[in-house]
Amino acid sequence: GAGVSQSPSNKVTEKGKDVELRCDPISGHTALYWYRQSLGQGLEFLIYFQGNSAPDKSGLPSDRFSAERTGGSVSTLTIQRTQQEDSAVYLCASSQGGGTGNTIYFGEGSWLTVV
Amino acid sequence: AQKVTQAQTEISVVEKEDVTLDCVYETRDTTYYLFWYKQPPSGELVFLIRRNSFDEQNEISGRYSWNFQKSTSSFNFTITASQVVDSAVYFCALSGPNTGNQFYFGTGTSLTVIP
Repeated sequence: GAGVSQSPSNKVTEKGKDVELRCDPISGHTALYWYRQSLGQGLEFLIYFQGNSAPDKSGLPSDRFSAERTGGSVSTLTIQRTQQEDSAVYLCASSQGGGTGNTIYFGEGSWLTVV
Repeated sequence: AQKVTQAQTEISVVEKEDVTLDCVYETRDTTYYLFWYKQPPSGELVFLIRRNSFDEQNEISGRYSWNFQKSTSSFNFTITASQVVDSAVYFCALSGPNTGNQFYFGTGTSLTVIP
């Protein structure tokens, strides 16, 4: 597609339920990032995928968070047993290559509300 | 340490005024990249500019201009003759060999342009 596509745009879930957020990167982009932005806060790095390399999971806040990327394209971020503090905008971004200096392009985000 | 500081949390200007958004960074890399992104109320982060550490020329794009000064570790962004559509949160970001696979973002400056 023309840009990074994320779904759902909005998700309201009950505390304790699992959620899946999907990201479809820009066609041809090999690197994919997930960031989290809590209300009024900056961007928090979660995870990075580059090609077939092992993902950099150093930003995942707890073992309730996981992500996978199938076929080097679409990625799914899964949050298990959601907590209210998980409420945030989850932003996906992609870039043409990995490594320093490549511009990353963001999707519109998935707004998650845990009630 | 890798760090981006945007000391201005919120700025309000009257339409047609000029405004400068400050960005100060810290890095131990000799080669690095700096970015500005715009996040309008719709939520999507929009890429504005990328600058590498070896290019200290100022850049102008329409009403936007950027002043990169390595001596003061700053990469400031000026909007000339501001318009209501410029109202958004603006983020400065840093990428370099020692930032790992992530971009380091500042906490953002919320700009409101009053008609």
